[in-house]
Amino acid sequence: DIQMTQSPSTLSASVGDRVTITCRASQSISSWLAWYQQKPGKAPKFLIYKASSLESGVPSRFSGSGSGTEFTLTISSLQPDDFATYYCQQYNSYPLTFGGGTKVEIK
Amino acid sequence: QVQLVQSGAEVKKPGASVKVSCKASGYTFTDYYMHWVRQAPGQGLEWVGWIDPNSGATTSAQKFQGRVTMTRDTSISTGYMELSRLTSDDTAVYYCATSLKRGDGCNLFGYWGQGTLVTVSS
Repeated sequence: DIQMTQSPSTLSASVGDRVTITCRASQSISSWLAWYQQKPGKAPKFLIYKASSLESGVPSRFSGSGSGTEFTLTISSLQPDDFATYYCQQYNSYPLTFGGGTKVEIK
Repeated sequence: QVQLVQSGAEVKKPGASVKVSCKASGYTFTDYYMHWVRQAPGQGLEWVGWIDPNSGATTSAQKFQGRVTMTRDTSISTGYMELSRLTSDDTAVYYCATSLKRGDGCNLFGYWGQGTLVTVSS
């Protein structure tokens, strides 16, 4: 199975900050990586696919980059609605696997 | 608009089985995989498997093989996930999800149900 490791596990930031979350795969997954945002008690929301393609309707302050084994999710200017937990997911091979999550908290 | 509406919360005893339903609307049910993903309390996301509603073919994570059965009823655009031999480790919110993307995008989760809490307790 491909292991996905996110860092940090928790991140404290202020509105307006630039935030970067890292996701590492245990083996190369090319660009088959997606990002999701989840708020407490809610289903995840799909943000980015193929490492850097923004899903329709997702604000442009979100961006993704990377390939192979190292990927990043960047929020260019953190907004109040962005405080949530973020997960990466590989879809290079089965079983589909997720990172452990990064909680973005208010500083 | 795309909607996935799941059945209500369940409480089961260890060793029992649970069957969760997911009714789809707003798209052609048979055109896209329906996935199942679970989340234990306070934990991350775990993929269970998918069903191709068109053919009925399924794929699941090895840890669930032999315990999970995914089926569908195309006449009512509904998918089902049944998990047997439940233990306390199966206590989680179970989500259905679909991508509305084809090809390599079929294993993405663009649309989610509201989740079904399954509690396993004696």
